[in-house]
Amino acid sequence: QKEVEQDPGPLSVPEGAIVSLNCTYSNSAFQYFMWYRQYSRKGPELLMYTYSSGNKEDGRFTAQVDKSSKYISLFIRDSQPSDSATYLCAMLGFQKLVFGTGTRLLVSP
Amino acid sequence: GAVVSQHPSRVICKSGTSVKIECRSLDFQATTMFWYRQFPKQSLMLMATSNEGSKATYEQGVEKDKFLINHASLTLSTLTVTSAHPEDSSFYICSAIQGTGNTIYFGEGSWLTVV
Repeated sequence: QKEVEQDPGPLSVPEGAIVSLNCTYSNSAFQYFMWYRQYSRKGPELLMYTYSSGNKEDGRFTAQVDKSSKYISLFIRDSQPSDSATYLCAMLGFQKLVFGTGTRLLVSP
Repeated sequence: GAVVSQHPSRVICKSGTSVKIECRSLDFQATTMFWYRQFPKQSLMLMATSNEGSKATYEQGVEKDKFLINHASLTLSTLTVTSAHPEDSSFYICSAIQGTGNTIYFGEGSWLTVV
């Protein structure tokens, strides 16, 4: 079993839709949970990070962590074509960083 | 926000030669830096964890004699691909942890093509 599971997609939605991206994990030692956005041929860009369980909101983005279920989510409201990218979840324990495989999101005009 | 700079962004080298990629944290001190490799349409693969002033810790299956990592200062880590071969052609990315925090910032990556 992989430490972090993420559906690779692609996930196709129309412009304006609410997008839900998810990851599950198995290692309860993870404390920090991050979401990165990666455009084609570019390095990952940090979108949001949260510590332990709870929600965090930043503009159109909301990150949610449920440690009891070992499940994290990223919600994108009012999705735009410019949101089309690969979204990677990442989890950090003590000097241990594990990425999901990434979900490719396609937002059509 | 914190900035991590990687150089060069693109490099082409001949098979058998060595190439060095630099990773710098521009406005913060990074005691720990990570090096990753990403093949097309695949996820990031951690190659090694680099701590300032000590030897890097390599992930299983990564040849430490081929991928030399030097973290000589709190703002600079280098990855040298020695005796490069075409199968080493990939996108190499570094990241750095800011101080004692737990946020990781990425460089923009370096495309290596070995011909």
